[in-house]
Amino acid sequence: EVQLVQSGAEVKKPGESLKISCQGSGYSFVDYWIGWVRQMPGKGLEWMGIIYPRDSDTKYSPSFQGQVTISADKSISTAYLQWSSLKASDTAMYYCASQSSSGVFSLDFWGQGTLVTVSS
Amino acid sequence: SYELTQPPSVSVSPGQTARITCSGDALPKQYGYWYQQKPGQAPVLVIYKDTERPSGIPERFSGSTSGTTVTLTITGAQAEDEADYYCQSADSSSAYGVFGGGTRLTVL
Repeated sequence: EVQLVQSGAEVKKPGESLKISCQGSGYSFVDYWIGWVRQMPGKGLEWMGIIYPRDSDTKYSPSFQGQVTISADKSISTAYLQWSSLKASDTAMYYCASQSSSGVFSLDFWGQGTLVTVSS
Repeated sequence: SYELTQPPSVSVSPGQTARITCSGDALPKQYGYWYQQKPGQAPVLVIYKDTERPSGIPERFSGSTSGTTVTLTITGAQAEDEADYYCQSADSSSAYGVFGGGTRLTVL
């Protein structure tokens, strides 16, 4: 059974850095794209970016390029989403999701979400 | 950047057919995907590669494509299908993905 388990909720101040994680199990982590989706309070889903863990090839949405960093550690089947300087507008639920054989951009399996709150 | 356009809301009575459209210039070249999201839950993939249904998704969910539009059809909508539905695809050069704005389906 494919499982994506995300790290717990975070409360941070503006300007702080943050790295949240998503550990995959039940499939070959290195062979499928895995990515991140933002959902701001009461709003829709936003595609942020994906990474191919085998070679760390990464695709970013233009809206998020330069704002966040997506990475992966193959040795522990874990993907990360990182900010160097948080803003209040980064307050949102963040989901990780992975592809299976349904296409590069398909998001077949989802984590439970990590709520990030940025407030002074 | 590239955008997908969905109607904000669709409303049907139980047992009727619900159709949710998604328009985008790159859809003739890129697959469309559909996700269902209920309040407080993570999204669930209900259609992939325009027309394919993942295992475990009821047969009443189907997808179709025509030109720059993909459509999610729920034949015989049930109260449990009430949710937000999002289409998703990629830009024409496969550089990045994108979601539509979402459609709230009301079944009553």
